Amino acid sequence: DTGVSQNPRHKITKRGQNVTFRCDPISEHNRLYWYRQTLGQGPEFLTYFQNEAQLEKSRLLSDRFSAERPKGSFSTLEIQRTEQGDSAMYLCASSFPILGDEQYFGPGTRLTVT
Amino acid sequence: AQSVTQLDSHVSVSEGTPVLLRCNYSSSYSPSLFWYVQHPNKGLQLLLKYTSAATLVKGINGFEAEFKKSETSFHLTKPSAHMSDAAEYFCVVSGVTGTASKLTFGTGTRLQVTL
Repeated sequence: DTGVSQNPRHKITKRGQNVTFRCDPISEHNRLYWYRQTLGQGPEFLTYFQNEAQLEKSRLLSDRFSAERPKGSFSTLEIQRTEQGDSAMYLCASSFPILGDEQYFGPGTRLTVT
Repeated sequence: AQSVTQLDSHVSVSEGTPVLLRCNYSSSYSPSLFWYVQHPNKGLQLLLKYTSAATLVKGINGFEAEFKKSETSFHLTKPSAHMSDAAEYFCVVSGVTGTASKLTFGTGTRLQVTL
């Protein structure tokens, strides 16, 4: 399967702990996006990379959140000092402009903060 | 800024009957519009995409949507529902930010298909 993959699929953590999620995009895709989806809502944009450059961050992305894409391939999303309000599904998507720029989504990482 | 409004949070149809999921959009320019489907415990899957070519867009699994600028609508239809169509459906508008296409999702419509 050559789709977008995310790890882990589920993460349970205690409030105040740090967590890190990984996203591996489709191999030829140079754009990578992170979204957050809370229960009963549609996904909300968090941040976007083109190759290794982080070009936009949503106001939803507080200082406790940081994302990287060091070699323009996989990306990590870290949340420091987690809060219960961070509990959500974190989705990654990738796209390739020349092929139409449609975003293809991974299965997501479900974070539960207790 | 762009936004979408999904007019129904829940739609229930019988298997074999038509499906209509309603979406209105707001955009200050000519938008790109999408429908995505999300099955339980699975990732979002692109059903179809409108980008100003043809106003009637055909997607996968027999779904189609019609872009109506005068009504600012992009409703999703299917002639005959199948049990496997039961899922959450999202209407999405794309907003260009810099060189990227940031997606803005509606709140979703849960489609239930009964026997």
